Amino acid sequence: DAKTTQPTSMDCAEGRAANLPCNHSTISGNEYVYWYRQIHSQGPQYIIHGLKNNETNEMASLIITEDRKSSTLILPHATLRDTAVYYCIVRVLGDYGGATNKLIFGTGTLLAVQP
Amino acid sequence: DTEVTQTPKHLVMGMTNKKSLKCEQHMGHRAMYWYKQKAKKPPELMFVYSYEKLSINESVPSRFSPECPNSSLLNLHLHALQPEDSALYLCASSQAPDRGRSPLHFGNGTRLTVT
Repeated sequence: DAKTTQPTSMDCAEGRAANLPCNHSTISGNEYVYWYRQIHSQGPQYIIHGLKNNETNEMASLIITEDRKSSTLILPHATLRDTAVYYCIVRVLGDYGGATNKLIFGTGTLLAVQP
Repeated sequence: DTEVTQTPKHLVMGMTNKKSLKCEQHMGHRAMYWYKQKAKKPPELMFVYSYEKLSINESVPSRFSPECPNSSLLNLHLHALQPEDSALYLCASSQAPDRGRSPLHFGNGTRLTVT
């Protein structure tokens, strides 16, 4: 299974961009990079995912390097409500039918947004 | 709010009890998942169902028994649990087949305490 490496914790000032790095040097060519976050006592919340190209949605942007060995999640204007554990995950693919697809969580980054 | 509903939110049970956790989704997803999360740790995959059939069992002890009675429902039957099984149990669902392209949607979990 592809592994990810993230910093244990990061701080960010409210209103500034939060840039969360992730290394996934063993990723395979057809595996997607997913980002989730988990606020205390809630289930993980999907943020964004991508394969090769950079992606943007209403929550965040995902920048994937050309060699796909690392990525960065960007929260453009962090708020106090963005304080959470952020997980970078490589989706392990199984059979075509998706019966054995896995989402294996790493240890994540605790992002603390400071007022 | 989440589109995956888990009940109950909290459960306290003795080691000789039998209880069940329930999960429901109405997004038409055909893959459903159980995860276990201990305090300050990432979620760990337990089971994957695809088209109502068990496709992955991550070597989970037999005191945990999953069941998928239809495409919208997922149960986790608990029997003779140990105090170390106390954790947050998370249910998730996703489209299938998807080749890893579709995100998992998580519920907010059942907080289980075994006394």
